[in-house]
Amino acid sequence: DSGVTQTPKHLITATGQRVTLRCSPRSGDLSVYWYQQSLDQGLQFLIQYYNGEERAKGNILERFSAQQFPDLHSELNLSSLELGDSALYFCASSVASGSNYGYTFGSGTRLTVV
Amino acid sequence: AQSVTQLGSHVSVSEGALVLLRCNYSSSVPPYLFWYVQYPNQGLQLLLKYTTGATLVKGINGFEAEFKKSETSFHLTKPSAHMSDAAEYFCAAHSGGYQKVTFGTGTKLQVIP
Repeated sequence: DSGVTQTPKHLITATGQRVTLRCSPRSGDLSVYWYQQSLDQGLQFLIQYYNGEERAKGNILERFSAQQFPDLHSELNLSSLELGDSALYFCASSVASGSNYGYTFGSGTRLTVV
Repeated sequence: AQSVTQLGSHVSVSEGALVLLRCNYSSSVPPYLFWYVQYPNQGLQLLLKYTTGATLVKGINGFEAEFKKSETSFHLTKPSAHMSDAAEYFCAAHSGGYQKVTFGTGTKLQVIP
């Protein structure tokens, strides 16, 4: 157990639908990062939050949004889902923003869009 | 911007043979460097990291990596491969401050019995 909790572990939904992925960072970590991992595009950085504020944006689609709440958990919202959104979505956390200690990853949410 | 290049998306070694996974980074500032391992259906796990000090870094499961500034490399090695080492390995770099960590494209290691 890495200390980063992601729910749900698996999600199957239809095209056009909206889903919410949840992440609880490791205790004491203020930064949360979201990554998408697919076979064709590898590990893609989506977005980072630090202590409730958006800190960095990567290759995140406009249909996707995220937020970090006062208790530091984060949610990634994916809407108008397409088949190509099927992927593993990872959350990672770190003590600081861009920590040189490395990230702690959760076990991921596998999203399947049918 | 920081970039990380992993040579070889797939590497196969025999059980007991040397494992060498290559990683090069591009930066004018020596970064902090990491290797992560991802086992099937799991998240990424930190294997080892280089921040400052000794350039030869030892990690978990018998892996080590050497930071070579002159070659801008951070190759991962293990003297003797085990079947349990079969996984995907990611090299990553962080330039410090508020920069995000940049990951390489990953190398899948296959261990042949």
